[in-house]
Amino acid sequence: DADVTQTPRNRITKTGKRIMLECSQTKGHDRMYWYRQDPGLGLQLIYYSFDVKDINKGEISDGYSVSRQAQAKFSLSLESAIPNQTALYFCATSDGTGEAFFGQGTRLTVV
Amino acid sequence: GEDVEQSLFLSVREGDSSVINCTYTDSSSTYLYWYKQEPGAGLQLLTYIFSNMDMKQDQRLTVLLNKKDKHLSLRIADTQTGDSAIYFCAEILNYGGATNKLIFGTGTLLAVQP
Repeated sequence: DADVTQTPRNRITKTGKRIMLECSQTKGHDRMYWYRQDPGLGLQLIYYSFDVKDINKGEISDGYSVSRQAQAKFSLSLESAIPNQTALYFCATSDGTGEAFFGQGTRLTVV
Repeated sequence: GEDVEQSLFLSVREGDSSVINCTYTDSSSTYLYWYKQEPGAGLQLLTYIFSNMDMKQDQRLTVLLNKKDKHLSLRIADTQTGDSAIYFCAEILNYGGATNKLIFGTGTLLAVQP
């Protein structure tokens, strides 16, 4: 089983719809992250969480929200999806040393 | 600032050395990392260097750190077609502190020509 699992792997949704991306990890780490990847822009940090009660905004949090339901689960929501949120989304976890373990990614297309 | 910058593309011939460069702006970074992303996959840690080191070698990989210029490089010796991937430089900010974040560069696509 993968250390970090993201669901769904691919999703096409319409503008204005609410969508949730799920992430779960089996590493037992406290830190979890959501990034989006766009060609030529690298990975941009959306939100990060250091434990269940600690949620922080990243560089591009507008239009997104998160929920840390448990140490192992960190979900990302788009309340009202728009086309420029079409991207590849990655969840990651780390123990604070900087080695991050990534999920396989969720390819989201907003039409 | 938290910007980490890399050139977007590098093309080399198989057997040559590849050098991927990165500049970062936050001098408080205590660890710097190189991650590799193969097609269709997430990122995997390739190597890392502590900020009090100038160089680290790991088989075909050599990491050089110039703290004065905030410049990090990754050299891959004897580059193989299997090294074709996107390489991300990353820094961790305020390690051990309340604002511990992992920030990635823009990524460099390495294309290895046979």
